[in-house]
Amino acid sequence: AQSVTQLGSHVSVSEGALVLLRCNYSSSVPPYLFWYVQYPNQGLQLLLKYTTGATLVKGINGFEAEFKKSETSFHLTKPSAHMSDAAEYFCAVSDSNSGYALNFGKGTSLLVTP
Amino acid sequence: ETGVTQTPRHLVMGMTNKKSLKCEQHLGHNAMYWYKQSAKKPLELMFVYSLEERVENNSVPSRFSPECPNSSHLFLHLHTLQPEDSALYLCASSPGGFTEAFFGQGTRLTVV
Repeated sequence: AQSVTQLGSHVSVSEGALVLLRCNYSSSVPPYLFWYVQYPNQGLQLLLKYTTGATLVKGINGFEAEFKKSETSFHLTKPSAHMSDAAEYFCAVSDSNSGYALNFGKGTSLLVTP
Repeated sequence: ETGVTQTPRHLVMGMTNKKSLKCEQHLGHNAMYWYKQSAKKPLELMFVYSLEERVENNSVPSRFSPECPNSSHLFLHLHTLQPEDSALYLCASSPGGFTEAFFGQGTRLTVV
């Protein structure tokens, strides 16, 4: 089954600094990949997705991610962190067996310091 | 209302109680899901319904019983739960397979 691994359960950046959250996937078929954000006591909100086509995907709130097949990666970046970006971030991949399930990583908690 | 709505937002129940979680989606989607989110664990897919038929059941204990009366509503019936069942229960919907899921705000369940 397809799976994702998020490197680093906690990432801390200064306000205005680059945000880089890492995600590597394992898939025997071309994957559909997603990044979600979760604020405290809230559900998950879709940031961006990759299905086919352009490998650099732009999402909401200034985030983007690049699909790199050679590295089996789908890292999330943002050029300049805002305090409001502090949240939990989840990478996910579609399960090709069922077509319905999303297999999530364990999440990365982003802390933004003044 | 828009999106995916879950009620209640918070629930405290004893181990002998019976309660139900409700989810409603206003997106016209065909698939609905229950996920469990526990501290320090990845999100766990519990149940998937497509066009009101269950398509996945990931080895979930029978004390959790889903119901999907129509494509807009999904319930999770709870009975004789254990303290380790305390978690955030998230409902989601999607247009179909191989697409993103849209999540509700979750129900924070505490079993005492």
